[in-house]
Amino acid sequence: GDSVTQMEGPVTLSEEAFLTINCTYTATGYPSLFWYVQYPGEGLQLLLKATKADDKGSNKGFEATYRKETTSFHLEKGSVQVSDSAVYFCALSDRNSGNTPLVFGKGTRLSVIA
Amino acid sequence: GAVVSQHPSWVICKSGTSVKIECRSLDFQATTMFWYRQFPKQSLMLMATSNEGSKATYEQGVEKDKFLINHASLTLSTLTVTSAHPEDSSFYICSAHSGSATYEQYFGPGTRLTVT
Repeated sequence: GDSVTQMEGPVTLSEEAFLTINCTYTATGYPSLFWYVQYPGEGLQLLLKATKADDKGSNKGFEATYRKETTSFHLEKGSVQVSDSAVYFCALSDRNSGNTPLVFGKGTRLSVIA
Repeated sequence: GAVVSQHPSWVICKSGTSVKIECRSLDFQATTMFWYRQFPKQSLMLMATSNEGSKATYEQGVEKDKFLINHASLTLSTLTVTSAHPEDSSFYICSAHSGSATYEQYFGPGTRLTVT
């Protein structure tokens, strides 16, 4: 079945450091790819998404590019802030429809220190 | 944006008792809701999909008689853990989809269940 693998955490960075969280996937079809973020005590929020190969999703300074050839969707940010401290989940769905359940990676906890 | 609430946010119960967790879409109607379970340092694992007015569809390995799901209205789904045991202790998260053409699901903040 479909699966998502993302790098183990926790990741600790100093403020203004460059962030990369790796994510690779296995899917039989052509999935849509997502990054969700969970801040302490809150629900998961959609951070960005890409629905087809070579699409780049971006939001709040975060970017991820849908790479079909490497089945990857790595999350990057050029300069992290303390407020970015959260757990980040990579996810996929088989169809570009919210009616489809998501398959999640294990999540990567990011801590940014001042 | 769309908001999904869960109640309670945490609950402690004794082994053998039942616990009900509510998931509400506050400002939209949710035709489909999903229930996930998250173990420490693990992925969110889909437990079941519930559509308003019909029976839930459970994932393989999830006991439907133990995890009762009801989606009686377009804004409320409930998960009842029956005869809870310590191994049922976990973080339960719901998400809701409005039935629109967009992809996005809206997640609740989760409910932490501890069975003693």
